[in-house]
Amino acid sequence: AQRVTQPEKLLSVFKGAPVELKCNYSYSGSPELFWYVQYSRQRLQLLLRHISRESIKGFTADLNKGETSFHLKKPFAQEEDSAMYYCALSVGLGNQFYFGTGTSLTVIP
Amino acid sequence: NAGVTQTPKFRILKIGQSMTLQCTQDMNHNYMYWYRQDPGMGLKLIYYSVGAGITDKGEVPNGYNVSRSTTEDFPLRLELAAPSQTSVYFCASSYLNEAFFGQGTRLTVV
Repeated sequence: AQRVTQPEKLLSVFKGAPVELKCNYSYSGSPELFWYVQYSRQRLQLLLRHISRESIKGFTADLNKGETSFHLKKPFAQEEDSAMYYCALSVGLGNQFYFGTGTSLTVIP
Repeated sequence: NAGVTQTPKFRILKIGQSMTLQCTQDMNHNYMYWYRQDPGMGLKLIYYSVGAGITDKGEVPNGYNVSRSTTEDFPLRLELAAPSQTSVYFCASSYLNEAFFGQGTRLTVV
């Protein structure tokens, strides 16, 4: 069965420090993985997807099939990065999205 | 482009009452979804649709029904509200594997 695990519910880092939000997945097929972000009082929105291998707002995420991981990283956290982050896996004909439980990131000034 | 619009934003229901959460999108997306978000539980897929006239169950469909008569609309129906259905509900549509979310409906069943 498909599953997305985000082991940290809460994560606090100081401004300027590196940040890593962990995500592990289980899926027998070829995964499509995403990070979604929800800023305070805003809608959930796409941050980045593994297939595009891009850096958005300084964040990157590399798909590691051997470790079945898709950790989100940023070398220098900013206060505006404080938000709820969800890792998601897309599978099947209906493009069903399976979400992790989310990690609430707080960047301390 | 309004994107995905959900109504209402908030609702309090009594046990046993019924209601419909409305969702409409103006992006002509074929894929649409309903999720519920419970504290510490992430988003759970309730139902999804790959196009008008086609719907299928997700992870947690019990107690809910959906219909998809048009590409734009994907209403979620609660027939007999129960306290376990207290949650925040999100509707979404997707295109090329990017999901677009509504602002959510906070439902409380008392």
